[in-house]
Amino acid sequence: DADVTQTPRNRITKTGKRIMLECSQTKGHDRMYWYRQDPGLGLRLIYYSFDVKDINKGEISDGYSVSRQAQAKFSLSLESAIPNQTALYFCATSAWGDTEAFFGQGTRLTVV
Amino acid sequence: AQKITQTQPGMFVQEKEAVTLDCTYDTSDQSYGLFWYKQPSSGEMIFLIYQGSYDEQNATEGRYSLNFQKARKSANLVISASQLGDSAMYFCAISTSYDKVIFGPGTSLSVIP
Repeated sequence: DADVTQTPRNRITKTGKRIMLECSQTKGHDRMYWYRQDPGLGLRLIYYSFDVKDINKGEISDGYSVSRQAQAKFSLSLESAIPNQTALYFCATSAWGDTEAFFGQGTRLTVV
Repeated sequence: AQKITQTQPGMFVQEKEAVTLDCTYDTSDQSYGLFWYKQPSSGEMIFLIYQGSYDEQNATEGRYSLNFQKARKSANLVISASQLGDSAMYFCAISTSYDKVIFGPGTSLSVIP
């Protein structure tokens, strides 16, 4: 089983619908992240969490919300999806310190 | 705040040749880690190599090496003996003890047979 699991892997949804992307990890890491990647572009940080009680906005948090339900779970919600939120979404985790991020497989979201 | 710059949007290299992908960074933290990831067309993010800010020797992992020049704040990735399977996007990233993991915009590498 993967250390960082994202569900769903692919989703097509309609404009205006609420959608939740889920992430769970077995690494035991405190830090969790949600990134968005648009075609041909890098990863932009949406939200990050350093522990269960700590939630921080990234550079592109508008239109998104998150929930850290437990150390191992970090969900990303689009309250009212719009077409320009069509992208590849990655969840990642890292340990405290200057350590690398471990990624989920990614979720391809299409908003029509 | 941290920042990663990758100035090469796209690179081409002949198969079996070496290639250097540039990365410069900015951080006010004294302790930090620098990383490179590979993203093939299938989309997954593959961790390649890590360099700690206090490491005196450049990191190496197989055909990958990291040319770390701390005073210049650069952490270039060198891929030796390029293979067709090396064609992918490559991302440089930085993390510190007290801040988030930040990625650069990436470099698209194409290996030519």
